[in-house]
Amino acid sequence: DAKTTQPPSMDCAEGRAANLPCNHSTISGNEYVYWYRQIHSQGPQYIIHGLKNNETNEMASLIITEDRKSSTLILPHATLRDTAVYYCIVRSSGTYKYIFGTGTRLKVLA
Amino acid sequence: NAGVTQTPKFQVLKTGQSMTLQCAQDMNHEYMSWYRQDPGMGLRLIHYSVGAGITDQGEVPNGYNVSRSTTEDFPLRLLSAAPSQTSVYFCASNTGTGNYGYTFGSGTRLTVV
Repeated sequence: DAKTTQPPSMDCAEGRAANLPCNHSTISGNEYVYWYRQIHSQGPQYIIHGLKNNETNEMASLIITEDRKSSTLILPHATLRDTAVYYCIVRSSGTYKYIFGTGTRLKVLA
Repeated sequence: NAGVTQTPKFQVLKTGQSMTLQCAQDMNHEYMSWYRQDPGMGLRLIHYSVGAGITDQGEVPNGYNVSRSTTEDFPLRLLSAAPSQTSVYFCASNTGTGNYGYTFGSGTRLTVV
């Protein structure tokens, strides 16, 4: 399983876009990129995932570089409720064995 | 549809005691996993299952046993509790038939004294 590298913490002003980077330089062709977040000590919440195309849903957008070695999660208009730890995970096709890293602690500032 | 239900929510054990953390899901999900999260840390995979009767080890399996006799239930057994097992334990499930995310339970907070 490819490992991921994320900055330990980021701040974002409320109402602005939050751009959270993730490096997964050893990703292979059949591995998906998933993003989760964890608010306080609750169970992680699924946000979005992608293979090689950019993806968008009601929560966020996922931008994956052409070489697939990195990705960015975009929260278009961050709110205080988006303050959480965000995890980037790489998953091999055909397996649901996730390995979490330490994530990025996003703090949205009023 | 309750999702993933974990019981108990809180537990205090004495060193050497054994116990079972319960996890049940009502979504007919094939894949289930157990994670532990130590204070200020990320989640670490303990054991996972890809269907009834099939389990495998994750990153930190020592000291824990699992079984999967039904699709719905995936209990985690602590054989002889140690203070190092003080943690928050999360159970998660996934359909396994598509590229969907895991649904996590709300966690069991375990303290071993």
